[in-house]
Amino acid sequence: DAKTTQPPSMDCAEGRAANLPCNHSTISGNEYVYWYRQIHSQGPQYIIHGLKNNETNEMASLIITEDRKSSTLILPHATLRDTAVYYCIVRVAGRGSTLGRLYFGRGTQLTVWP
Amino acid sequence: EAGVAQSPRYKIIEKRQSVAFWCNPISGHATLYWYQQILGQGPKLLIQFQNNGVVDDSQLPKDRFSAERLKGVDSTLKIQPAKLEDSAVYLCASRPTATGRSSEAFFGQGTRLTVV
Repeated sequence: DAKTTQPPSMDCAEGRAANLPCNHSTISGNEYVYWYRQIHSQGPQYIIHGLKNNETNEMASLIITEDRKSSTLILPHATLRDTAVYYCIVRVAGRGSTLGRLYFGRGTQLTVWP
Repeated sequence: EAGVAQSPRYKIIEKRQSVAFWCNPISGHATLYWYQQILGQGPKLLIQFQNNGVVDDSQLPKDRFSAERLKGVDSTLKIQPAKLEDSAVYLCASRPTATGRSSEAFFGQGTRLTVV
């Protein structure tokens, strides 16, 4: 079952920063926060993940609060091609049958407008 | 690097017919997943393989769904007989290792099944 809460939709002007929030108040100490996105008619695509520290890569930045109960995905300069459903996922870590399993919620539909 | 390949891309069948989907994961990826995504919802895990063994199939409707991963590479997912509520996109994903905590999963484009 999904352990995250996201707004169903957001919009953003092209060229502006898109800040997508996620609540994961029941996250455990060894669970990572993952973000994936799904562009229409495609499979989900990995964006970024983090445990405690803020992370940045070529696609986005991930800000995790100190208590780890929420996080924000930041797309610094949104483009029309960033229009997609964005999923925030708490991933069970460690060995065993549940390793690597991703539980998707409904995500946030981000619409970038010109 | 080649991605996860799935076929067919689209399939339309009548209810009570059978259908099979094929997945070729990224070379060397030990872990393979099948997900079902109903329109408007996030993907839901159906089954997880580690090499050619099933790790978890607790969410697979075993009365009509079956999956196999012979030789630990390609995988097939079958539905027999199909119901209207099976209409969905079936996604295959793979990961390099089951032991890496932070390795990402790579998804195919999916097979869109319509049952009429």
